[in-house]
Amino acid sequence: QVQLQESGPGLVKPSATLSLTCTVSGGSMNDYSWTWIRQSAERGLEWLGHVYKSGTTNYNPSVNNRVTMSVEKTRNLFSMRLKSVTVADTAIYYCAREIDRGMYNWFDVWGQGTLVTVSS
Amino acid sequence: EILMTQSPATLSVSPGERVTLSCRASQSVSSNVAWYQQKPGQAPRLLIYGASLRASGLPARFSGSESGTEFTLTISSLQSEDFAVYYCQYYNNWPPRVIFGPGTKVDIK
Repeated sequence: QVQLQESGPGLVKPSATLSLTCTVSGGSMNDYSWTWIRQSAERGLEWLGHVYKSGTTNYNPSVNNRVTMSVEKTRNLFSMRLKSVTVADTAIYYCAREIDRGMYNWFDVWGQGTLVTVSS
Repeated sequence: EILMTQSPATLSVSPGERVTLSCRASQSVSSNVAWYQQKPGQAPRLLIYGASLRASGLPARFSGSESGTEFTLTISSLQSEDFAVYYCQYYNNWPPRVIFGPGTKVDIK
């Protein structure tokens, strides 16, 4: 059974870069896309972007010029870097596995989430 | 920009009742809609994808449907473990964009 686990700092200073890692255990990373989603009271659930199974990245325009995502299949992990953070980036960050079946896409496995607070 | 709206924001229900949750898209969309359940302190859990297809292992009391721009999640007989927040989500294939609704909280009457 595939499990995902986010890791990273719980507290980040404004203007700094947030780096998160998601470790995948119990299964292969092949043939899936890998996604980051965050949740805050102000913005609800917000898709940040993904690394598509082909290796292509797609990002939400709301963070497009600040975010970078990557996958390291040999290490069974994927990562996200969000630069120039502000208090508005305070949220619970989830990693999730995306299944793409042509007509339909869905997120079937999620990490437990990690709370990131942006504060000086 | 496509928006997904959910109604009602909160629904107070007694165990055993039938529950119908609504999610409406601001414009015509494909059937690439999923539903998730989230309990306090937990990540969202996939229930439905493709508007009406049940996730593996999902009890049969959960069903999804669509009519035009309206998508519906129905719980035929609410169980105690079903009290949670429910989110709809639309996946736009190109360019890839994912839009979540604001959620409907189902609580105990």
